[in-house]
Amino acid sequence: DMKVTQMPRYLIKRMGENVLLECGQDMSHETMYWYRQDPGLGLQLIYISYDVDSNSEGDIPKGYRVSRKKREHFSLILDSAKTNQTSVYFCASSLEGAEDTQYFGPGTRLLVL
Amino acid sequence: GEQVEQLPSSLIVQEGASVLINCSYTDSASVYFPWYKQEPGKRLQFIIDIRSNMERKQTQRLTLLFDKKTKHLSLHITATQPGDSAIYFCSASLDSNYQLIWGSGTKLIIKP
Repeated sequence: DMKVTQMPRYLIKRMGENVLLECGQDMSHETMYWYRQDPGLGLQLIYISYDVDSNSEGDIPKGYRVSRKKREHFSLILDSAKTNQTSVYFCASSLEGAEDTQYFGPGTRLLVL
Repeated sequence: GEQVEQLPSSLIVQEGASVLINCSYTDSASVYFPWYKQEPGKRLQFIIDIRSNMERKQTQRLTLLFDKKTKHLSLHITATQPGDSAIYFCSASLDSNYQLIWGSGTKLIIKP
């Protein structure tokens, strides 16, 4: 059963705290993505990972960093979270490139107070 | 860089009606256009795609039309059902080495 998982599903943090969002996939996909979704803005790519330790910035990387030490896991880290990072975060994976179907996780709803 | 725009931003129709969701893009070099659907409380899922060497693609009740000259796509959904209520996203890519650029979504509500 092809699946992308995200943990946690809901998170409340105070401004300045560190945040760790985790994503896993069981499809041996090479490429993984972190997006954020805000009302009226669609999906904005934060980071893309082409494989282990091969990560590239997306459109809005500022304030975020990522880690991919195993092909099946991709983490998003917010060092010193800001209130404008309140959003819904989606992880996705695809076999290889942009022309392969992306499989999405259920999302993590993050509130930064 | 590439920009993708969707219209309308929201749409309410009666069950059984047909709907049309429009999408336009700016970079004429884009070649691949997948669409995704996000039902309430569920994860985004792929529904249909088209490449720039095609004009039309159909799967079940979905028809995707592509006009390279005007840089415009239209997603036509026929015989709508309550399960079609979702946010529909258009996206575009230059090729497999480039990321998808996403539209802001069209929220479709089907009234029973």
